[in-house]
Amino acid sequence: GAVVSQHPSRVICKSGTSVKIECRSLDFQATTMFWYRQFPKQSLMLMATSNEGSKATYEQGVEKDKFLINHASLTLSTLTVTSAHPEDSSFYICSARDGQTNSPLHFGNGTRLTVT
Amino acid sequence: DAKTTQPPSMDCAEGRAANLPCNHSTISGNEYVYWYRQIHSQGPQYIIHGLKNNETNEMASLIITEDRKSSTLILPHATLRDTAVYYCIVRVKTSYDKVIFGPGTSLSVIP
Repeated sequence: GAVVSQHPSRVICKSGTSVKIECRSLDFQATTMFWYRQFPKQSLMLMATSNEGSKATYEQGVEKDKFLINHASLTLSTLTVTSAHPEDSSFYICSARDGQTNSPLHFGNGTRLTVT
Repeated sequence: DAKTTQPPSMDCAEGRAANLPCNHSTISGNEYVYWYRQIHSQGPQYIIHGLKNNETNEMASLIITEDRKSSTLILPHATLRDTAVYYCIVRVKTSYDKVIFGPGTSLSVIP
């Protein structure tokens, strides 16, 4: 079945630094990927929709200059958390859909970001 | 996408069937019912989906009422590894629209 790979699975960084998270569709082409954030004991919150070759669409309240999304190819989208602060510590999850087969959304295993 | 409502939590004895309900009274004719689950600290896992007929796969069964306003996910023989948050989502199958997650149902399988 469709596999979405997310890397790294865990990252610890210092306040003020930037962190890049990669999301890859391993065996299908994903023109659209979605980025979610999840705080403890809460549901997934959609941050943005990543479209290959165009600008991402951000949800209300999500700062586009802080959470940079690049979807440069049909198999890779990246989320960069810039100038990270402790309140950015969270579980970040990407998902992608194979548009050619109309298969369900598949999700990466998430990235646990801790900002110290 | 249509709104869904699910109970916040449920318990199930190990080895028994777990029946997880979902209400989607405003579902449109072209919207499918999808079920995902999220085990702690992992990404959501696709379980099953259906339009109007009942569906079964190796993981679960999906029962959709005739009026399509509600559905039930059935895990026939729950194990401890089925403890997770289960999300019911309705959406058009071919849509690239964003998927919004509700709070889901936290299922605890008890030994």
